[in-house]
Amino acid sequence: KQEVTQIPAALSVPEGENLVLNCSFTDSAIYNLQWFRQDPGKGLTSLLLIQSSQREQTSGRLNASLDKSSGRSTLYIAASQPGDSATYLCAPEEGGSEKLVFGKGTKLTVNP
Amino acid sequence: NAGVTQTPKFQVLKTGQSMTLQCAQDMNHNSMYWYRQDPGMGLRLIYYSASEGTTDKGEVPNGYNVSRLNKREFSLRLESAAPSQTSVYFCASSLTGTGDYEQYFGPGTRLTVT
Repeated sequence: KQEVTQIPAALSVPEGENLVLNCSFTDSAIYNLQWFRQDPGKGLTSLLLIQSSQREQTSGRLNASLDKSSGRSTLYIAASQPGDSATYLCAPEEGGSEKLVFGKGTKLTVNP
Repeated sequence: NAGVTQTPKFQVLKTGQSMTLQCAQDMNHNSMYWYRQDPGMGLRLIYYSASEGTTDKGEVPNGYNVSRLNKREFSLRLESAAPSQTSVYFCASSLTGTGDYEQYFGPGTRLTVT
């Protein structure tokens, strides 16, 4: 069974700082991994989808990497802004099932 | 496109009452999912449907039933609500079978069972 761990559980940084969110998973037999953002009281917004054939994906100030062999993914946020404050969720697929398994998230606060 | 829509947004039930949560997507996706989100537990899959007419259990199916009415709609029914089913429920959809899928989520339904 796929298990997902996200470290740290919470992070508070000053505006402008570059930061890295970590995700580890136990089953490396995945096709895809997806990163989401969730604002308080809202649904999930997809940020990046990394296919197993890719090592990284970029969207604006966000860069996500995937190392299947070590069961790790990282989300890099450059030049953080207060609007980046949210909970970030990592979700690798479960063993080729096309179903996602979610970590508990990292709650990010960017202070002005 | 509206994406994934869910109704209702909020609901309060008494123990033993029944209700159906509705979900619809307009992206022509084949797969649809129901999750629940509880504090400290993360999102957990309740049921999913890989295509019209098929449904399968996820991690926490007990106390729920689902219906894939057509390609667009996937409903979740609580037959006899219990306080343990107090949660936020999310519906999602994706285009699977292509090896390149992305799940899209609805805004959620906040359910309280008293």
